[in-house]
Amino acid sequence: DTGVSQDPRHKITKRGQNVTFRCDPISEHNRLYWYRQTLGQGPEFLTYFQNEAQLEKSRLLSDRFSAERPKGSFSTLEIQRTEQGDSAMYLCASSLEVSGASKNIQYFGAGTRLSVL
Amino acid sequence: AQSVAQPEDQVNVAEGNPLTVKCTYSVSGNPYLFWYVQYPNRGLQFLLKYITGDNLVKGSYGFEAEFNKSQTSFHLKKPSALVSDSALYFCAVRDASGNTGKLIFGQGTTLQVKP
Repeated sequence: DTGVSQDPRHKITKRGQNVTFRCDPISEHNRLYWYRQTLGQGPEFLTYFQNEAQLEKSRLLSDRFSAERPKGSFSTLEIQRTEQGDSAMYLCASSLEVSGASKNIQYFGAGTRLSVL
Repeated sequence: AQSVAQPEDQVNVAEGNPLTVKCTYSVSGNPYLFWYVQYPNRGLQFLLKYITGDNLVKGSYGFEAEFNKSQTSFHLKKPSALVSDSALYFCAVRDASGNTGKLIFGQGTTLQVKP
């Protein structure tokens, strides 16, 4: 068990550029979550996948954001035309959810810190 | 609406003394509650959870939490604080409105343990 890994750890970009982040969950985990954390706040839910299906998106996720999880393994989060307000820590988490027992622990990666200049 | 409140931005305690980090919640139905810790430039590390059963939950690194249904609280405790416990602590509740399993977090409490 190598844990949840995220890449890159830090990303600095100019306003208007596109960025893509990657998350590799714990291998047997079927659920994958994306959260955003701004300074002084707790993480806020963005979206999640059950295997390869994206089942819910937060209203925080504007049209400029897109996430994928092809083949139910790693996931990518892309932000198009970045804005300064997108500057935050983007956290990925994964869990193993057994039917009827969605109470399992989410394990988090170290996050990708995005700075938009 | 479901929510979590951590009323203290910062808690200061001397090493060796007991510590408490407070959390209250508002949720429809049975609450599933979690505590996570975040060290600088690191992700969140799971400490403990309450699903059902005993109101006193024991977790990692000597931490425990007490679930109190009447006060809708889930305070994190440790009998003897260590300097290495200094970090940012988050209380979270699992969203009960669907089957997403998404977590709703409090704003976090910085724990400062002084030698």
